[in-house]
Formats: sequence, structure tokens, C-alpha cells
Amino acid sequence: EAQVTQNPRYLITVTGKKLTVTCSQNMNHEYMSWYRQDPGLGLRQIYYSMNVEVTDKGDVPEGYKVSRKEKRNFPLILESPSPNQTSLYFCASSFRAVNEQFFGPGTRLTVL
Amino acid sequence: AQKITQTQPGMFVQEKEAVTLDCTYDTSDPSYGLFWYKQPSSGEMIFLIYQGSYDQQNATEGRYSLNFQKARKSANLVISASQLGDSAMYFCAMRGRNAGGTSYGKLTFGQGTILTVHP
Repeated sequence: EAQVTQNPRYLITVTGKKLTVTCSQNMNHEYMSWYRQDPGLGLRQIYYSMNVEVTDKGDVPEGYKVSRKEKRNFPLILESPSPNQTSLYFCASSFRAVNEQFFGPGTRLTVL
Repeated sequence: AQKITQTQPGMFVQEKEAVTLDCTYDTSDPSYGLFWYKQPSSGEMIFLIYQGSYDQQNATEGRYSLNFQKARKSANLVISASQLGDSAMYFCAMRGRNAGGTSYGKLTFGQGTILTVHP
């Protein structure tokens, strides 16, 4: 089944404890992207990747890191999480940037 | 910088009637793309329809159509014959160029419109 998977789906952590949210797609898509969703703000793009080893900042990259070492995976790293990073995070992928994106199920992160 | 605005926080429609969800955008780039996504209460994001800036005709996908008015910079979603299952949050989004102008990977979303379909 063609899909985008994210792990974990739910995470409660404490300020400053490094964490990684994994994202994987099995559709051989070139483009992958991370978003955070907050009430009243819609989805905001954090980082995106046009292809392997090519990443670029979205609108809210501060406090996040990404890497794209292989086509199928695009992990989101929070080196030192803070409470203002409490949010619902979505990973998405598409064949190319011009195509519609397939979204993962979301990861709800709470930073205490 | 590109910007998307959805001015309707909430909309109500009677089952089987049509409804229009508004979306306006701002960009100085002649090449861009516009998407609509649906997010039901279960949380997943579902692609509905896409319109490219150079497309001559308005996009249609089943009961969904996009009323694209380039000069007015609007890309309204029209849902015909509303169904109870259409109750959801709807997001308009625009694909555009990054700050350095080197790629078209930037995607900007509006704040969303909650649509409620009454029986």
C-alpha cells in the first residue's frame, strides 16, 4: 500500500531532550516536506527536500533540523525542544514539488 | 513573499446545496500552483484539486471545482451537491519559489475554513 508513515504518532517529552520524528514513504517520491499545524494558523512549512541531499527552509525552520540521506526517509530532528514546539506535525511527499502531496497521519508532540 | 488568505473561519451549508469556499493569494511570481486539501475531524489531510497558474481552464474533480480568477488572485473551491461527509476543515495552499529563487518547493497554507453540512 502506497503510504507515508510517521513515528511516533504521539510523544510527550521534556524541554531540552533531543528527539527525532521519522518519516518514510514507499512511493519513490522525490519531494518531501515537514509541516506543523497549530490552531488558527493552518499548516506552516518547516523544511522541505526537493531530492536526496537537497533540503531548504520553509517558513518556520528555527529549532528544527532535517536530513535526506536516502530517498524514502526524511527525519525531523529537534535538538533541544521547547514548549513552543508543542504541535501537530505532518510529513508529506510527492513525485515532484508540482504534484499533489500525500500526507502522513501526523505526530502529536507535547513538550513540557 | 507569498501569502494565502482564507477569510471565512466557518461556513454552513444545507445538504445537497452548493457551497463556495474563498481563497485569495498574493505572489509576484508568474509561475505557481494552487491546491485545496480537506482535513476531516479524524485528522488526515486529503488532496482535493490542483490549479496551475498557466492552466487555461478551471480545474474540476468530481463534485469539486476551482473557480480560478487570475487577475483577482483568487482560487475559490466550489463543492456541488454537499454531503454530510463534506463536513471538515478545508485548506487552500500555494506552491511557489523559495527565497533564493532556486526551487519551487515552498508551500504556503491558508488558515483554513471549517465547513459544516446540515441535514
